[in-house]
Amino acid sequence: GAVVSQHPSWVICKSGTSVKIECRSLDFQATTMFWYRQFPKQSLMLMATSNEGSKATYEQGVEKDKFLINHASLTLSTLTVTSAHPEDSSFYICSARNSFNTEAFFGQGTRLTVV
Amino acid sequence: EDQVTQSPEALRLQEGESSSLNCSYTVSGLRGLFWYRQDPGKGPEFLFTLYSAGEEKEKERLKATLTKKESFLHITAPKPEDSATYLCAVRETSGSRLTFGEGTQLTVNP
Repeated sequence: GAVVSQHPSWVICKSGTSVKIECRSLDFQATTMFWYRQFPKQSLMLMATSNEGSKATYEQGVEKDKFLINHASLTLSTLTVTSAHPEDSSFYICSARNSFNTEAFFGQGTRLTVV
Repeated sequence: EDQVTQSPEALRLQEGESSSLNCSYTVSGLRGLFWYRQDPGKGPEFLFTLYSAGEEKEKERLKATLTKKESFLHITAPKPEDSATYLCAVRETSGSRLTFGEGTQLTVNP
C-alpha cells in the first residue's frame, strides 16, 4: 500500500502556543488529504478535507481560524493548531488519496497534549 | 445521510476460534466500502476495498465480503497479533469523504 508519513508522532505544548503537524505522501501524489481527530475509545471524526492548491473544506463545528490547514503541494499538507488550549489535546490523524484510487491511506497519527 | 454501524462493539476470542465482524451501511450510492485495522496509538492501516455486492477479498486470515446492505470481516483461526480495532467505512459515489463506523475491538487470547 501507499505510505503516508505524519510528523511529529507526539507533541506537548503550552497553552496559548501554536503547533504544526505535517502529513506527507511518500510514494504517490495526494490530490486530496483529510484531517481527523480521534478521542479515546471513539471512531475518527473528520475535521476537514483539502484538495491541492485549494482552500480546505471544514466540517460543521470545526473552527477554521483555530485549525489552519494548508495543502500547498501534492505531497504535503499541514495542520496548525493555533492558540492551543487543553481541550485541543487529542489524537490527530491525516489521510491521503490520489485521483486514481478510491481508498485513502493514513498517517501514524499525532498525539497532542496541551498543558 | 450515510450511516455505518458495526457490531459487536467488542469481541473476545480464543486463539484459533474463528468469527465474523459485521458492518451494516446505508448509502445513496456505494463507491466503495473499506476495512481498516487500527492498533492503539496508531493510524488506521488499510486492509480491503469492496466495490459491489458479491465481491470477496482475502488477506492471510482475513476475508471480507459485501452485500447490498452489509459487509462481513471473517477471521479464520485468529492469532493474538490479530488483536486490534477493526474499522469499516463507506464512500458514496458523489462524495469525497469516508463515513466510519465506531469500530469493533477484537481481542484474541493465547
